[in-house]
Amino acid sequence: KAGVTQTPRYLIKTRGQQVTLSCSPISGHRSVSWYQQTPGQGLQFLFEYFSETQRNKGNFPGRFSGRQFSNSRSEMNVSTLELGDSALYLCASSLAAANSGNTIYFGEGSWLTVV
Amino acid sequence: KNEVEQSPQNLTAQEGEFITINCSYSVGISALHWLQQHPGGGIVSLFMLSSGKKKHGRLIATINIQEKHSSLHITASHPRDSAVYICAVSRNTDKLIFGTGTRLQVFP
Repeated sequence: KAGVTQTPRYLIKTRGQQVTLSCSPISGHRSVSWYQQTPGQGLQFLFEYFSETQRNKGNFPGRFSGRQFSNSRSEMNVSTLELGDSALYLCASSLAAANSGNTIYFGEGSWLTVV
Repeated sequence: KNEVEQSPQNLTAQEGEFITINCSYSVGISALHWLQQHPGGGIVSLFMLSSGKKKHGRLIATINIQEKHSSLHITASHPRDSAVYICAVSRNTDKLIFGTGTRLQVFP
């Protein structure tokens, strides 16, 4: 059974640009959640989607957005990139909601560097 | 004060030693997760607990709901156990909250 797949794995963007990251969950998983990890702030929750609906959103500005498609694949978008957006972006999937007590499966992450 | 606190922040051990990592939380939870992150970024879920104790190989996780405390134990530690261990709690209808992680280095 394939794991959670994130693309791209590494990318470099310039300030002001926008970026789209993709996440394919484990087959059959309907919940996809996104996290940002930086050395200073650690792991922080961005948002969670379940059956194409955003269930929860973290404390991030509106430049951060996401969506989930009918096949449960998810994308997140960051517009008007800032240097502080440089981070590892992790996606995770689970059968039901991530906060329901189900095991969460993480992807390898997308390393974003903003220059 | 963070809602999820881990200790210690950094831990070094000799191969074969017994290791304990602690996690305390201040909110009511539906489950607690122990995660392992190796250099390179990928995170693996080790345990998901809502009560009692779980064991998988050399890893043991316990939780005390009344005391709002969980421990992760590694018996007979090995250099391949070197990683960052992260505690996270989940609450009904709410987001996951993460601890800051414990960086473990096991030397041969």
